[in-house]
Amino acid sequence: KQEVTQIPAALSVPEGENLVLNCSFTDSAIYNLQWFRQDPGKGLTSLLLIQSSQREQTSGRLNASLDKSSGRSTLYIAASQPGDSATYLCAVRMDTGRRALTFGSGTRLQVQP
Amino acid sequence: DAGITQSPRHKVTETGTPVTLRCHQTENHRYMYWYRQDPGHGLRLIHYSYGVKDTDKGEVSDGYSVSRSKTEDFLLTLESATSSQTSVYFCAISGASGVSETQYFGPGTRLLVL
Repeated sequence: KQEVTQIPAALSVPEGENLVLNCSFTDSAIYNLQWFRQDPGKGLTSLLLIQSSQREQTSGRLNASLDKSSGRSTLYIAASQPGDSATYLCAVRMDTGRRALTFGSGTRLQVQP
Repeated sequence: DAGITQSPRHKVTETGTPVTLRCHQTENHRYMYWYRQDPGHGLRLIHYSYGVKDTDKGEVSDGYSVSRSKTEDFLLTLESATSSQTSVYFCAISGASGVSETQYFGPGTRLLVL
């Protein structure tokens, strides 16, 4: 059974810092990996999707990398801002016909002004 | 934002009563999902649909049923609500391939079963 782990569970940084969020998964036979953010009391907002054949994806100040063989992904946030404060979740889809996502428990990020 | 709405947004009900949650999309996406989110368990898949009248069970399907009679609507029914089904329920949609496989989530329904 696939398990997804996110470390650290919580992170507090001063504004302007570059930071890295980590995601690891136990079964490397993934089809894709998706990063989301969730604001308190809200739904999930998709940030980036990386296909298993890709090494990284970029969107603005965000860069996600994928090392499928080692079961790891990182989300790099450049020049963090208070508006980046949220919980960040990674999720993997297995390389099967099923499209269900398996989620990590998230990293709660607080960016101090 | 993807056009996904969920109704109701909040509901309080009593143990033993049936409850139906509705997810509506305007994106014409083929795939629709129901997840629940609970502290300590994260998000877990309840059921999903891969087309009209085509559904399959997820990780935590016991006590839930679903129906999809139109592309745009996916209903989740708690047949006889229990306190363990108190949770936040999210609907998601996705397309068939490539970047459209991104799952987009609705705003959620907070359900309290007393």
